[in-house]
Amino acid sequence: AQSVTQPDIHITVSEGASLELRCNYSYGATPYLFWYVQSPGQGLQLLLKYFSGDTLVQGIKGFEAEFKRSQSSFNLRKPSVHWSDAAEYFCAVALGIAAGNKLTFGGGTRVLVKP
Amino acid sequence: EPEVTQTPSHQVTQMGQEVILRCVPISNHLYFYWYRQILGQKVEFLVSFYNNEISEKSEIFDDQFSVERPDGSNFTLKIRSTKLEDSAMYFCASTSSGAGYGYTFGSGTRLTVV
Repeated sequence: AQSVTQPDIHITVSEGASLELRCNYSYGATPYLFWYVQSPGQGLQLLLKYFSGDTLVQGIKGFEAEFKRSQSSFNLRKPSVHWSDAAEYFCAVALGIAAGNKLTFGGGTRVLVKP
Repeated sequence: EPEVTQTPSHQVTQMGQEVILRCVPISNHLYFYWYRQILGQKVEFLVSFYNNEISEKSEIFDDQFSVERPDGSNFTLKIRSTKLEDSAMYFCASTSSGAGYGYTFGSGTRLTVV
């Protein structure tokens, strides 16, 4: 079955430390890949997306993600986290027009930032 | 930057009542979606809408749910007879031509059924 997995439910990181959030997908073809962030009580903000080309993509707020086809992964990274990065992060995939363009979300990873 | 606007931001309703959640997608977008997020859970797809008809719906989207684009700008989700388990955050999203162009989400409507 097609799925998106975020193995880490919670991650706690110290301010200034690096952060990596994992995302794995299970689809027959390479999907369109997205990372969204949700601050408490807020909506979903797009951090970055990957469609094709360079497998390392840069996003907003200093985030980047690397697509690895061999591992079916699209991990999100930030070299130095800020207290304002405390939020929930969702990986999402879409198969495009052939599949109705709908997004399928992973379960999310909640990031806590220690001072 | 263009936004997807959702109203109201919060709605409390009694079980069995009808509710209508409203969304104004970005004006030149063609594909419209509703998602929901039950507290503490993942974001789930409800329905997609294109060319004035539903293009796909999930098993959650049963006969109690309907969507409409009544006037070319609004996109509404109606729940005919709300249940306690309908309590969730409902997100509207739109995209111009498909996945390759990205999706823009609204800030959500928090629906509480009491």
